[in-house]
Amino acid sequence: AQKVTQAQTEISVVEKEDVTLDCVYETRDTTYYLFWYKQPPSGELVFLIRRNSFDEQNEISGRYSWNFQKSTSSFNFTITASQVVDSAVYFCALRNNRDDKIIFGKGTRLHILP
Amino acid sequence: GAVVSQHPSRVICKSGTSVKIECRSLDFQATTMFWYRQFPKQSLMLMATSNEGSKATYEQGVEKDKFLINHASLTLSTLTVTSAHPEDSSFYICSASLNYVETQYFGPGTRLLVL
Repeated sequence: AQKVTQAQTEISVVEKEDVTLDCVYETRDTTYYLFWYKQPPSGELVFLIRRNSFDEQNEISGRYSWNFQKSTSSFNFTITASQVVDSAVYFCALRNNRDDKIIFGKGTRLHILP
Repeated sequence: GAVVSQHPSRVICKSGTSVKIECRSLDFQATTMFWYRQFPKQSLMLMATSNEGSKATYEQGVEKDKFLINHASLTLSTLTVTSAHPEDSSFYICSASLNYVETQYFGPGTRLLVL
């Protein structure tokens, strides 16, 4: 069975603090893809990153960074120097290579306080 | 990146009526489109997978006679909520997948409110 767990339901931090959003996944597939999406209040999903199961390199994009660890089945997302505009719901998701379906975690609601 | 649109963005209807939501891939041909439903403060749940020219595949627990999906062309899929009831009120999101490309592109969503 495939599953994505985002244990943090809601997080509040003060602006400029760093914050890490956790994501743990379960899959029996050897080939799979992991994603992070941002959903601001408008509702539209914003694609942030895709990582395939064979690429464990960590990635940095501006203030965003991702830590993929197959040994712990985790794909954590860190925002450094957070800003109010980062306030949103963030979803971690998993897609296998067989049927293209994406399974979403329950999301983490992030509040950045001014 | 590729662009997916949805129409309408918001719809309010009376209980018992049917509502059609369109999902279009604007700058690419989408072999596969997906329909999701998201209740307030919850995650996205896949409802069905739609392949051009064939019948949609519905997830367990989704009534195919209530949520009619048509994928008549490589750029358009429609979801019709038939005989809508207040419990069908939700945020409906479609996504489209490029052939041989791993990323799904999501539409902006349609908020449905059934009175």
